Amino acid sequence: EAGVVQSPRYKIIEKKQPVAFWCNPISGHNTLYWYRQNLGQGPELLIRYENEEAVDDSQLPKDRFSAERLKGVDSTLKIQPAELGDSAVYLCASSHDRVVGAFFGQGTRLTVV
Amino acid sequence: GQQLNQSPQSMFIQEGEDVSMNCTSSSIFNTWLWYKQDPGEGPVLLIALYKAGELTSNGRLTAQFGITRKDSFLNISASIPSDVGIYFCAELAVGAQKLVFGQGTRLTINP
Repeated sequence: EAGVVQSPRYKIIEKKQPVAFWCNPISGHNTLYWYRQNLGQGPELLIRYENEEAVDDSQLPKDRFSAERLKGVDSTLKIQPAELGDSAVYLCASSHDRVVGAFFGQGTRLTVV
Repeated sequence: GQQLNQSPQSMFIQEGEDVSMNCTSSSIFNTWLWYKQDPGEGPVLLIALYKAGELTSNGRLTAQFGITRKDSFLNISASIPSDVGIYFCAELAVGAQKLVFGQGTRLTINP
C-alpha cells in the first residue's frame, strides 16, 4: 500500500514569492493534516481536514496561508507571499477513524531566501 | 504552543546501551503515541498507549503510560546504529483526532 505522498521534496524561493505544496494521502483515509516543523522542534498542526471540510484551522496564518482539499482526497497548501520565517519542513499526514495515530509523508523542506 | 515536555533533549550513547526517555504533559490525555523521525523523513509511529499504567513493547522498544495520565516513557534496549534519530512523544486530544507533539529527543549512537 502506498504511503502519504508529498511533492516537491525541496523548494527554495525568494521572499514575497508564492509557493504551493501538494499531498496525496493514503487511500481511504478521511482525515488529512498539514503540519509545520521548525528546525529542532516537533511538528505543529496547521490545519486538519475531515473529508473535504477544514475542521481545525486555528493555527493557520490565514493572511498568507491557504489550503484546500478538493473531493476529499488530495490537498494543497499555499503560502503567498512567503516570508523568511516560513522556512521549515511542511508535513502532510493522514489517518482513518478506526486507526489511532497518523501516517506522515516525507515532507517538503522549504527555504525562503 | 506545545504542552509536552520531553527529556532529555539529546542523548549520546554507545552501541549496545539501553536508552530511556520520557515525556510529561500539563494536561491529562487518553492516548500517548511515540514516533521516530529519521533525517529527511516524516515521523513513523512506533507505539500507541491507551490506558493509564499500560506497558507495551514493540521489539526492543518498551513504552509505558503513566498512572497519573500525564507522563510516558520510552525505553530502547541494546541500542543499534539504526536507532539513531529523533523520538517524539505525542498526545491525541480526546475526540479531536489532533496530535500534539513534544519537542523531541535526539538520539546519537557511537559505534
